[in-house]
Amino acid sequence: EPEVTQTPSHQVTQMGQEVILRCVPISNHLYFYWYRQILGQKVEFLVSFYNNEISEKSEIFDDQFSVERPDGSNFTLKIRSTKLEDSAMYFCASSGGGWGYTFGSGTRLTVV
Amino acid sequence: ILNVEQSPQSLHVQEGDSTNFTCSFPSSNFYALHWYRWETAKSPEALFVMTLNGDEKKKGRISATLNTKEGYSYLYIKGSQPEDSATYLCAFITSGGSYIPTFGRGTSLIVHP
Repeated sequence: EPEVTQTPSHQVTQMGQEVILRCVPISNHLYFYWYRQILGQKVEFLVSFYNNEISEKSEIFDDQFSVERPDGSNFTLKIRSTKLEDSAMYFCASSGGGWGYTFGSGTRLTVV
Repeated sequence: ILNVEQSPQSLHVQEGDSTNFTCSFPSSNFYALHWYRWETAKSPEALFVMTLNGDEKKKGRISATLNTKEGYSYLYIKGSQPEDSATYLCAFITSGGSYIPTFGRGTSLIVHP
């Protein structure tokens, strides 16, 4: 069964450093998403991406965040200058435009 | 901000017990409700996509119902097994916006052998 792959599974970074979280969506999907879950809180929407551009973003997705699809297969989330409060599980998801979403297994980001 | 609430937050049951939990959501501009099962260190796995008031869906021992008029969905597990232990997430999609799912906090189920 096709799956969404995320790397790394766990990343520890120092406050102020840049991190790039990587995702390989399902190959024939057209819609891509990033979500995050801070420990003990709800899964929160960050950004959606379609046709090589951001289609929707939440208030969380400020100037410190950016997304790219650099080579037609990877979908990356960059955090330019990490803060302690960016520590969370980050999930990538993709959709073919139908009802369901397929999620990756997440990257746990720990900012120290 | 859409309010999607799940209750209870956590649940411990014995193997063989049947259990249910609730997802409540705004009753206006309903488009779809998703249920996901999320085991630790794995991807959230789609269980059900529910779109019509009165929908009932079933997958093995797990079933779900939907009431869009009053804004709730129930997830039932019959004869819980230890492998059912997971967090169950619901996600609400409104027709009044961009069709991005809004998630609840989840119900953490632990089934004791």
